[in-house]
Amino acid sequence: DVKVTQSSRYLVKRTGEKVFLECVQDMDHENMFWYRQDPGLGLRLIYFSYDVKMKEKGDIPEGYSVSREKKERFSLILESASTNQTSMYLCASKGISSYNEQFFGPGTRLTVL
Amino acid sequence: AQTVTQSQPEMSVQEAETVTLSCTYDTSENNYYLFWYKQPPSRQMILVIRQEAYKQQNATENRFSVNFQKAAKSFSLKISDSQLGDTAMYFCAFMGTGTASKLTFGTGTRLQVTL
Repeated sequence: DVKVTQSSRYLVKRTGEKVFLECVQDMDHENMFWYRQDPGLGLRLIYFSYDVKMKEKGDIPEGYSVSREKKERFSLILESASTNQTSMYLCASKGISSYNEQFFGPGTRLTVL
Repeated sequence: AQTVTQSQPEMSVQEAETVTLSCTYDTSENNYYLFWYKQPPSRQMILVIRQEAYKQQNATENRFSVNFQKAAKSFSLKISDSQLGDTAMYFCAFMGTGTASKLTFGTGTRLQVTL
C-alpha cells in the first residue's frame, strides 16, 4: 500500500519561529510537491522537486524554502513564520510518468500565533 | 499559464440521486491530463478519476464518470447513486506534459450527500 506521511497533523508556532514540515514517501517516486490549501483558494503549489537536491519554485514560494537530501524525504521550511502562513499544508509525490497520479499525505494544519 | 475554474462552491444531493460537478479550464496545450480528486472531511486526498486529453472516450470508474468536452475545455464529474460516503471536497485538476507535470487545481466544490 502506497504511503505519504507528514510529520505532524497539527502544529502551533509563534510569529518569527523557524518551522520545519517533513514529508516522507515510500514509493521511490522522483517527484515531490508541497501545497498549501486555503478555503476558497484550492491548493496552490509552493515548491516541487523532481530529483534529489533539485527544487523548483511553484506559484507561491515567497516565505518558504525546501530541502531534498534523500529521495524519500522532502522538507518545507518557514524561515520566519508569519500569521499569514497559517494554513493546511499538503505534501504529494508522483512517479516519473505524466500519467501517474499524485499521492497525497494527510496534511499538516499549521497555526501561527 | 493554465487555469482551472470550479464555479460551484457548494452542492447538495440526496442519497441515491445523481449529481454533476462542473469544471472548466484554460490551456494552450493540445495534450494534457485532467483529474478529479476527492478530499473527505479530515481525511487524505485521493484520486477519483482521470482523463487523457487525446482520448475521446469519457473515463468511468464505477459510479463516477466524466463528460470531457475538449473544444469547450470542460470536464464535469457525474456521481450516480450518491452515497453518504461521497460527502467531501472535490477538486478538479489539470496536468500538462512538461517537466515534473505539476498539477493546477480548481478552488473545489464541497458536496454534501443527505438522507
